[in-house]
Amino acid sequence: DTAVSQTPKYLVTQMGNDKSIKCEQNLGHDTMYWYKQDSKKFLKIMFSYNNKELIINETVPNRFSPKSPDKAHLNLHINSLELGDSAVYFCASSQGLMSSYNEQFFGPGTRLTVL
Amino acid sequence: AQSVAQPEDQVNVAEGNPLTVKCTYSVSGNPYLFWYVQYPNRGLQFLLKYITGDNLVKGSYGFEAEFNKSQTSFHLKKPSALVSDSALYFCAVRETDSWGKLQFGAGTQVVVTP
Repeated sequence: DTAVSQTPKYLVTQMGNDKSIKCEQNLGHDTMYWYKQDSKKFLKIMFSYNNKELIINETVPNRFSPKSPDKAHLNLHINSLELGDSAVYFCASSQGLMSSYNEQFFGPGTRLTVL
Repeated sequence: AQSVAQPEDQVNVAEGNPLTVKCTYSVSGNPYLFWYVQYPNRGLQFLLKYITGDNLVKGSYGFEAEFNKSQTSFHLKKPSALVSDSALYFCAVRETDSWGKLQFGAGTQVVVTP
């Protein structure tokens, strides 16, 4: 049973295109996150949703638009892709927001390459 | 503002020797501290966490970490390293009122040689 899954695993696309990455968790968690890992492996949070409500938005260009149709899903849509968007994007989930000592569970990542 | 530092880009250790991965943190309040491991082309896996209580925390795969408030450190340790421990290790910190926002260190690559 996959706890946090992401699709696709690899995404290769041209500059200027629009693409989406999907994330689903079957852990019953109420909080989900998107992280970006750059080529130097540095991890930075992008967004966080709690019960479908946006909680964290970390100065991400508005070309990135997260959408949470329900507590188990958090999708990431990227418009007008740029070369600098090339990275690995990780989805994660945890239970509780103010109970912030709960660990986060990460998906396998989506490697986005913009040509 | 919260921050975390991992001073070593890479740690090399021979199999069977003790392994230590260093982490220091800075928060304005009480910290929640975490260690995660990332194997090649995989997502991050949780190893252990410090919330409160005993300063020595035991986690998965024989790892442990010691919380030291005076030195603001949370070093990861394993008494006897295995080749399979070779991976990228991340320390992370969260303030108690930071709305779940985890701040990750830059990561330390551990290389265990046979």
